[in-house]
Amino acid sequence: EIVMTQSPATLSVSPGERATLSCRASQNVGSNLAWYQQKPGQAPRLLIYGASIRATAIPGRFSGSGSGTEFTLTINILQSEDFAVYYCQQYNSWPTFGQGTRLEIK
Amino acid sequence: EVQLVESGGSAVRPGGSLRLSCAASGFMFDDYGMSWVRQAPGKGLEWVSGINWNGGSTGYADSVKGRFTISRDNAKNSLYLQMNSLRAEDTALYYCARGYGSGSFYHFDYWGQGSLVTVSS
Repeated sequence: EIVMTQSPATLSVSPGERATLSCRASQNVGSNLAWYQQKPGQAPRLLIYGASIRATAIPGRFSGSGSGTEFTLTINILQSEDFAVYYCQQYNSWPTFGQGTRLEIK
Repeated sequence: EVQLVESGGSAVRPGGSLRLSCAASGFMFDDYGMSWVRQAPGKGLEWVSGINWNGGSTGYADSVKGRFTISRDNAKNSLYLQMNSLRAEDTALYYCARGYGSGSFYHFDYWGQGSLVTVSS
């Protein structure tokens, strides 16, 4: 099983600033990495797949980068609606998720 | 519009069984792999099981292997999860999710709203 580790567990950022979230895989997953956003009481929403491809209707302030074992989700000019929990997921083999990063308002 | 609607969740005693269903609409169901993903109260996401487009390939998380069985009926546009020998740690909201990708494994582009399973004596 590929273990996904996200950091930090909680990130405090002010609206209008940039947030950088990290995800590390225990083995090489190539570019088979997705990011999801989840708000309270809602199902997860796909943000990024293929490590850097924005999903349909996802704003340009969300961007993903990385390959192999190290990945980053960057959110520029944070909006109030961006404060949520974010998960990474590898799909180089049967899927596994990271434990999540909670993005909170500073 | 793509829709995934789960049903079948309820409260059950440890050792009991449940069958979850997911009704899919708005897309060609037999073109996609499907998965179940669960979320325990206040916890993160855990992939539970996946199945390819024709049911010929299935996978399970170690935590449920030998107890849960995934299946699908493409004629009925439906996905199922048979859960046996349920434990307290299986308590979670179970999501049905559509797999997207050209390879054998995939990310999830559409999710249902979940079906709650509570295992308690």
